[in-house]
Amino acid sequence: DTGVSQDPRHKITKRGQNVTFRCDPISEHNRLYWYRQTLGQGPEFLTYFQNEAQLEKSRLLSDRFSAERPKGSFSTLEIQRTEQGDSAMYLCASSGKGVTEAFFGQGTRLTVV
Amino acid sequence: AQSVAQPEDQVNVAEGNPLTVKCTYSVSGNPYLFWYVQYPNRGLQFLLKYITGDNLVKGSYGFEAEFNKSQTSFHLKKPSALVSDSALYFCAVRRGGTTDSWGKFQFGAGTQVVVTP
Repeated sequence: DTGVSQDPRHKITKRGQNVTFRCDPISEHNRLYWYRQTLGQGPEFLTYFQNEAQLEKSRLLSDRFSAERPKGSFSTLEIQRTEQGDSAMYLCASSGKGVTEAFFGQGTRLTVV
Repeated sequence: AQSVAQPEDQVNVAEGNPLTVKCTYSVSGNPYLFWYVQYPNRGLQFLLKYITGDNLVKGSYGFEAEFNKSQTSFHLKKPSALVSDSALYFCAVRRGGTTDSWGKFQFGAGTQVVVTP
C-alpha cells in the first residue's frame, strides 16, 4: 500500500475545456474526500463519499463540478467549462472505518490559461 | 457549523527555541482535532490528533498539542524547533461521536512557520 494516489499531478488546460482528475484511496478506506486549495490558503471542502454514496457536497460548489465513486474504490472529479478561477491544487484524502484522521494524496495542480 | 481559526499567518522562531502554533475551533458536540503539515507543492501530512483522553497528545517529529476544552483551543507545540520544521501548518476539526456523525474535516487558513538558524 503506497498511500493515496492522484493522477495527473499537473494539468494545464485552456479556459472552457473539461478536465477530469482521478484519486485512488488507501485500499481499505471507505471514506474519500475532495478538497481544493489555493496558494497560501487552507483546504476548502468540496465533497465526500462513504463507499459509493456521495454524502455531502459544498454549497459553494458550482454545478460545473461533479464527482463520482462508482464502485466505492477510486473517485473522479470533473470540472466542466473550466474558468481561470478554477486554477488551484485539488487534494484527495481517504480514511477508513475506525480511522479518525484523513490521509492525503500529493494533489493535482490545475492551471487554466 | 464547524470553524477553525489560526490567528497567526506566520510564526518566526530561532532554531532551538520553543515553537507554538495557535488554533481555536468551533464545532457542535465533542470535537476531533488534528494538525497537519504541508511542504511546498506537496499534500498534507498528518502530525497528531486529539480524540479523547489525555489533553496533551504527542505526535510525529517531536510535536505535541494541548487540548483545552474551556478555551476551545488546540495549540501545536514543539520544545526545540529545527530549521527543517519550516513549513505550513494546518489545524482541522471534525465532529466526534459515532462514525456516522463524523462528516467532513474543516481546516484553518494555515500558519507559515519559519525557523531561522
